[in-house]
Amino acid sequence: QQQVKQSPQSLIVQKGGISIINCAYENTAFDYFPWYQQFPGKGPALLIAIRPDVSEKKEGRFTISFNKSAKQFSLHIMDSQPGDSATYFCAALGQGNLIFGKGTKLSVKP
Amino acid sequence: DSGVTQTPKHLITATGQRVTLRCSPRSGDLSVYWYQQSLDQGLQFLIQYYNGEERAKGNILERFSAQQFPDLHSELNLSSLELGDSALYFCASSPQPNSPLHFGNGTRLTVT
Repeated sequence: QQQVKQSPQSLIVQKGGISIINCAYENTAFDYFPWYQQFPGKGPALLIAIRPDVSEKKEGRFTISFNKSAKQFSLHIMDSQPGDSATYFCAALGQGNLIFGKGTKLSVKP
Repeated sequence: DSGVTQTPKHLITATGQRVTLRCSPRSGDLSVYWYQQSLDQGLQFLIQYYNGEERAKGNILERFSAQQFPDLHSELNLSSLELGDSALYFCASSPQPNSPLHFGNGTRLTVT
């Protein structure tokens, strides 16, 4: 079965710190790797995404690092802010099927 | 606002009943996806439609069914409801099957 494994399950970071969330996948047919941010009572919102021909993508304070040979990718949130407190999901898309990790609940303390 | 509209926002019903959840995709999006989110299972893919045709199926129970209509809106039908079906149900849409998904704000289903 296709899986995406995400860690940690929860993360507490001080304001201004770096938040790092890791994901690993198994199926080499995946060709698109998005990260979603979800606030309570809302649907997941697309945050940033990467394709496997690129090793890193940066958008503002958010960076995805991608290691194709290890089948791993990670989200780095620089200068974390209390407003970043949310649940983050990594995902992998292949053959029209978007598979999610189980999520990381991030709390940024002021 | 993602542009994906889901109704109703909340639904409370009893075991054994049947409900219909509705989704209107973003303008121009041909693909519609349904996901179930529960505390212990995360976001589980249920089913995908593209331009009216079923394209992919995930962990969808036989008691559940869905369809996409000619105007591209979609409905998810849940029947013989059980307590364990209580969850958030999300619809997402995308222009093509392998392009980014945009999610609605979900329907919270409570089965009592």
